Formats: sequence, C-alpha cells, structure tokens
Amino acid sequence: DARVTQTPRHKVTEMGQEVTMRCQPILGHNTVFWYRQTMMQGLELLAYFRNRAPLDDSGMPKDRFSAEMPDATLATLKIQPSEPRDSAVYFCASGALTGGGYTFGSGTRLTVV
Amino acid sequence: GESVGLHLPTLSVQEGDNSIINCAYSNSASDYFIWYKQESGKGPQFIIDIRSNMDKRQGQRVTVLLNKTVKHLSLQIAATQPGDSAVYFCAESGRAGTALIFGKGTTLSVSS
Repeated sequence: DARVTQTPRHKVTEMGQEVTMRCQPILGHNTVFWYRQTMMQGLELLAYFRNRAPLDDSGMPKDRFSAEMPDATLATLKIQPSEPRDSAVYFCASGALTGGGYTFGSGTRLTVV
Repeated sequence: GESVGLHLPTLSVQEGDNSIINCAYSNSASDYFIWYKQESGKGPQFIIDIRSNMDKRQGQRVTVLLNKTVKHLSLQIAATQPGDSAVYFCAESGRAGTALIFGKGTTLSVSS
C-alpha cells in the first residue's frame, strides 16, 4: 500500500533548538497537509499545499514555524526556536482533489524540554 | 471559526454489538465529510467518506449517515470487534481536496 513517510518518528530537543520534520507524500497526491495533535487541542491544521504552493498557513505561528515543499516528494516543517509548548505529535497527510480521503503518516512525536 | 464536534467522548460496547458514533457539525456549507480511526501511536486512518449530495454510504462493516437538515453525521460499525477499539474522528471540509477540520474524537472500547 502507498504510504506517507514521516521522519523522524521521535525527536527530543532542548528549548531554543531548531527542529525540522520531513514528509514524503504519496506519489501523485497534489495536496499536502501538516497537522498538530495534542490532548488539549486535538488535531489542528497548521498549513497545506497544493501543487507545492502554500494555500493556507493561518494555523501556524509565523514567528517560529515555517513550512515548505522544495519538490513534489518532500514537505518540511521547521520550528526555530522551539519551545516546550510545541511538544506534540505532528502529522503530515496527502491527498488528491478527487476525494478518497487523505492519507496520514505515522507522525513525528516532538518533545521540547 | 467553524468546528466539528462529537456527542460522546467515550463509547463502550460488547464484541458483536453494533456501534454508532455520532458527530455534529456547525458549518452548513461543508460539502465533504470523512471518518477516521486512530489507534494508539499511529496516524489517523481513513475509514469512509461521504459528500453532501448523499445521505448514506456503505463500506465493509461500516455505514456513514449524513443528515444535512440537522447537520449530523454518524458512523455505524456492524458486529464490532476488539480490533475496532480506537479513537474515531469525524472531519469536514468545504470540498474534497481542501483542509479538513477535525472533531475531538470518540474513544470506542470493545470488550470480548
């Protein structure tokens, strides 16, 4: 089965450090999403791209978060500097305009100490 | 902003029973709805979707019902199995391919 690949699976870092999370969407999917999941807030949309162009990043703290798609096979989410409140599981998902749902990766569990 | 919510945070059933998980949404313009299942330590897994021009859609052991009049979505699982134990999320969007807004989730526990 085709899958969305996220790396790393787990990341522990110190406050103030830069964190980069990577996502390889399913080949042929032209829409890529970044979500963050916490117990308190549930699944929150951070940003999404279509055909590599950013469509909405209103859910992302602009001063420290950035999301890019250098090419069709790679999406990145960067936090600089990281803070303890950024601790969460970050999910990437990809999909197509034709429907059939969006396929989520296994997530990156980020812990900022 | 608009939000999608679930009626009950937890649901406990016996193996073999039918399960019904409910979801209320607030955006009357929503056009596309999805149910996801999330097991511990994993990402959400697509179960079934439905567009607003339908009121029912069936999959393998699952049925999604959409009532646009009262903005209500439900997921029915037939003959629930222990492997169905997970958190279930409903999500909605303006149309397929646009961002999903997720509800808080219902935890389904199946005892054998």
